[in-house]
Amino acid sequence: GENVEQHPSTLSVQEGDSAVIKCTYSDSASNYFPWYKQELGKRPQLIIDIRSNVGEKKDQRIAVTLNKTAKHFSLHITETQPEDSAVYFCGLDSGGSNYKLTFGKGTLLTVNP
Amino acid sequence: DAGITQSPRHKVTETGTPVTLRCHQTENHRYMYWYRQDPGHGLRLIHYSYGVKDTDKGEVSDGYSVSRSKTEDFLLTLESATSSQTSVYFCAISESRNRGQRNTEAFFGQGTRLTVV
Repeated sequence: GENVEQHPSTLSVQEGDSAVIKCTYSDSASNYFPWYKQELGKRPQLIIDIRSNVGEKKDQRIAVTLNKTAKHFSLHITETQPEDSAVYFCGLDSGGSNYKLTFGKGTLLTVNP
Repeated sequence: DAGITQSPRHKVTETGTPVTLRCHQTENHRYMYWYRQDPGHGLRLIHYSYGVKDTDKGEVSDGYSVSRSKTEDFLLTLESATSSQTSVYFCAISESRNRGQRNTEAFFGQGTRLTVV
């Protein structure tokens, strides 16, 4: 199926440190891997995504890496700031034409000043 | 806000009553999704739609049904609400084919907080 395992469930870092969240999946047909950020009381919003034909993508302090052979992808946040504190979700699609989109259980990131 | 609206935003209902949540979009997006969000479980897919009258089950579909009679609206129905269905429900939309490009970013609605007492 389209199960995706996300770790860790909580992560606490000091401001300025890096944070890494990892997701593993089982369906080799998956070809789209988004990351969403959800601040307290708000809706999830896309922060970065990657497709299966790309190994890494960066956007300022945020990067995503994908290892299709090992079936895992990771979110990297460098120089963390207090406003990075939120819940982060990894997602993946089911492949094919019906585009079933599922998510991991989320990681609560706390950046301590 | 990507033109997606959920209604109602909050609802309290009694066990055993039927409840319908509405997701309305103005973006002409093909795909629509219903998720529930509970502490420790993240976002779990209930049902999704890949076109008008085309729907399929997600991970936690028991006790829920959906309908999509037109592109803009995706309805989630709890036939007989139970306390275990107390949750925050999010609708999401994705895949615009505007301008000939496939944009797969999923946009979420504001959420509906449902309490079943």
